[in-house]
Amino acid sequence: AQSVTQLGSHVSVSEGALVLLRCNYSSSVPPYLFWYVQYPNQGLQLLLKYTSAATLVKGINGFEAEFKKSETSFHLTKPSAHMSDAAEYFCAVSDPGGGYQKVTFGTGTKLQVIP
Amino acid sequence: DAMVIQNPRYQVTQFGKPVTLSCSQTLNHNVMYWYQQKSSQAPKLLFHYYDKDFNNEADTPDNFQSRRPNTSFCFLDIRSPGLGDAAMYLCATSRPGYEKLFFGSGTQLSVL
Repeated sequence: AQSVTQLGSHVSVSEGALVLLRCNYSSSVPPYLFWYVQYPNQGLQLLLKYTSAATLVKGINGFEAEFKKSETSFHLTKPSAHMSDAAEYFCAVSDPGGGYQKVTFGTGTKLQVIP
Repeated sequence: DAMVIQNPRYQVTQFGKPVTLSCSQTLNHNVMYWYQQKSSQAPKLLFHYYDKDFNNEADTPDNFQSRRPNTSFCFLDIRSPGLGDAAMYLCATSRPGYEKLFFGSGTQLSVL
């Protein structure tokens, strides 16, 4: 079974500092990997995805993630945090192929940005 | 804008009283999903529809059922809500072969 583990349920950074949110995956087949963001009182929104093309994936709002097969990791980074980045971030994995997406989410990391 | 709309935003029901949550989409996507998200937990897939084909996850309780009368609408029925069913319920859609899920804003269900 596929799974993802997010290290740290809460992360605090200062405005302008590096954001690093950690995610490790477990999959028996080459996975599709995602980062979703959930702002307060809103649904989940796709930040970026890895689907076996380039290992460094760029997403919206200046975020990027690097797929490292040797470390089974897909950490999310942003060079400089902005107040508007405060939200909950979910790493997710799914099986490629098929007509639907069986997406398994991690437990989420709440990002706090301190002015 | 095309989107996924969930109503109501907040729903309060009584223990054992049937409740229905609704989801509509203007994206014309074939696949619709229902996720349950409890506080501080990962969203958990309950079931999905691929067109009219219903697919239940193995560990989804029988208390949860769903209807999809047409492409645009999908309903989540909880026949006898228990206190443990209090959660955020998220509806999502996708196109076949396309990896991205499109989510609604969710319905927060409280059970008294």
